[in-house]
Amino acid sequence: EAQVTQNPRYLITVTGKKLTVTCSQNMNHEYMSWYRQDPGLGLRQIYYSMNVEVTDKGDVPEGYKVSRKEKRNFPLILESPSPNQTSLYFCATSATSGYEQYFGPGTRLTVT
Amino acid sequence: AQRVTQPEKLLSVFKGAPVELKCNYSYSGSPELFWYVQYSRQRLQLLLRHISRESIKGFTADLNKGETSFHLKKPFAQEEDSAMYYCASRVTDRGSTLGRLYFGRGTQLTVWP
Repeated sequence: EAQVTQNPRYLITVTGKKLTVTCSQNMNHEYMSWYRQDPGLGLRQIYYSMNVEVTDKGDVPEGYKVSRKEKRNFPLILESPSPNQTSLYFCATSATSGYEQYFGPGTRLTVT
Repeated sequence: AQRVTQPEKLLSVFKGAPVELKCNYSYSGSPELFWYVQYSRQRLQLLLRHISRESIKGFTADLNKGETSFHLKKPFAQEEDSAMYYCASRVTDRGSTLGRLYFGRGTQLTVWP
């Protein structure tokens, strides 16, 4: 079964405590991307990866890091989370950047 | 920078009425355009792409380059169409950042019985 999984699904943390949200796909997709969804702002792209070891900034990369060491995984790292990073985060994958994106279930992050 | 505008945050219609969700984009080149839908408690999923020219669940969308629009239409709305709809665009011109995808802010459609 084709899957995009994210972990954790819910996370409450404190300012400054490093965290990682994992994203994994089993569809052998080359393209992976992270978005944040905020009320009234829609989805905004944080980072994307066209393939292994190739990552690039999206619209709102500040405060985030990513890595793509293997095709199936694309973790999102918040080195020093701040309250303005409280949001709903989605990982998405597609065969290439121009094809249908498959979204993960989302991770709701609260930073206090 | 390319931007996608969905002017209506909320849209309500009655069952059986026509519905049109507006989307305008700012790029003058050759964008690819998509509509994604998010039903309650479900993941975002692709509804349609302009290059496939398909009709999905009765929805259609035509790319109008003159008006830089990609409005989503359905002649007879159903209650199950109630969802959040996002328009998205991707630049395809040579030399552009092909991985960038721009989403609008979304339109929450409610179809009343």
